[in-house]
Amino acid sequence: IQLTQSPSFLSASVGDRVTITCRASQGISSSLAWYRQKSGKAPKLLIYGASTLQSGVPLRYSGSGSGTEFTLTISSLQPEDFATYYCQQLNGYPVFGGGTKVDIK
Amino acid sequence: EVQLVEAGGGLVQPGGSLRLSCAASGFSLSSYSMSWVRQVPGKGLEGVANIKQDGSEEYYVDSVKGRFTMSRDNAKNSLYLQMNSLRAEDTAVYYCTRDQFWRTGSISVHYMDVWGKGTTVTVSS
Repeated sequence: IQLTQSPSFLSASVGDRVTITCRASQGISSSLAWYRQKSGKAPKLLIYGASTLQSGVPLRYSGSGSGTEFTLTISSLQPEDFATYYCQQLNGYPVFGGGTKVDIK
Repeated sequence: EVQLVEAGGGLVQPGGSLRLSCAASGFSLSSYSMSWVRQVPGKGLEGVANIKQDGSEEYYVDSVKGRFTMSRDNAKNSLYLQMNSLRAEDTAVYYCTRDQFWRTGSISVHYMDVWGKGTTVTVSS
């Protein structure tokens, strides 16, 4: 199973609404997770099961989708959200999308 | 505090071997499947291997099959990655992760909720 994220890069401002898409090469039901990684740090889990917010993650994050198409939405971008985002699924071992870097406009 | 701490990274020549370890604290390792994930500097995340709670099953990405072996010692709350026949393209930061996995009927859920800080492996002559 391959995961394709789009866009690879996006430029946005604080307060913007941002949407990132992850497409799976075959149906994976709702078995998708999203992570945020800041430069030089380990990734942090944001969402699992396609739409369940991990404990402690701000409500501005939301996830949706099932089957082959999934989205991660940040309703109002905050300074700490400028980072790279990855989708992930398990295919025996973990498989990740190529990543989406969110940069400051 | 729930924590994972990797160790064992370093500089090794092509063809050499290295053994990474990951010490778990704040939870019982035996209750979780675990994974290793690596990241080439400036590049994306790549899943390397996964091992079931009791060590009965292991899965590897094709690029490391036959060269890397993942194992665990639940009594010591520790995870390992034995890396042999190392190549320049294995140069990366290696993270160990705690995995959550469950299945209900045809629906499965998997995610990695705890990550270590990573250990750096450099393969170079």
